[in-house]
Amino acid sequence: EDKVVQSPLSLVVHEGDTVTLNCSYEVTNFRSLLWYKQEKKAPTFLFMLTSSGIEKKSGRLSSILDKKELFSILNITATQTGDSAIYLCAVDQYNYGQNFVFGPGTRLSVLP
Amino acid sequence: NAGVTQTPKFQVLKTGQSMTLQCAQDMNHNSMYWYRQDPGMGLRLIYYSASEGTTDKGEVPNGYNVSRLNKREFSLRLESAAPSQTSVYFCASGSDSFTNYGYTFGSGTRLTVV
Repeated sequence: EDKVVQSPLSLVVHEGDTVTLNCSYEVTNFRSLLWYKQEKKAPTFLFMLTSSGIEKKSGRLSSILDKKELFSILNITATQTGDSAIYLCAVDQYNYGQNFVFGPGTRLSVLP
Repeated sequence: NAGVTQTPKFQVLKTGQSMTLQCAQDMNHNSMYWYRQDPGMGLRLIYYSASEGTTDKGEVPNGYNVSRLNKREFSLRLESAAPSQTSVYFCASGSDSFTNYGYTFGSGTRLTVV
């Protein structure tokens, strides 16, 4: 059964801390892995990763994929209260699969 | 297994044809959502339903209609498909519209309009 697992499910930190969110997967026909930030109703796209070992960065956020060990991490440095959200990991599959498999998300709370 | 079930998984339509995407959840969630995902744009909300019997427009509702048939089911209808509606569509459910952790997504429908 295809699945995506995220850890931790919930995390509370203080402003300025660095956090690492984990996503591991077991899916067939892997095409890419995507990270989203979800606030309120609509998730915001963060990164799409297709190749191992290539770090993608956007400001204080960065992410990397390991296709051999089947996981990805999302790092957030110098966290701010505006980083409080649910971070979703999803895997996109080639045809004849489930299409997308979403993880349960990590709920990050950043305290002042 | 508990979760969100979407059908169909794939669909090709001709311009002007109509179709309905079906979504059902068995987690007793009040809120349900329809999103579309386009390359480089992430997920955009089409419609949502905060509870049975209510529906509201999201960010990109034009060209779509929805129906919250009961607490479990939330369908999305394209009355006259256009190439601009080629996208991947996701249904999701949540225990609360804004605050509760617990969004669950379906596996998506890849729709191509030619």
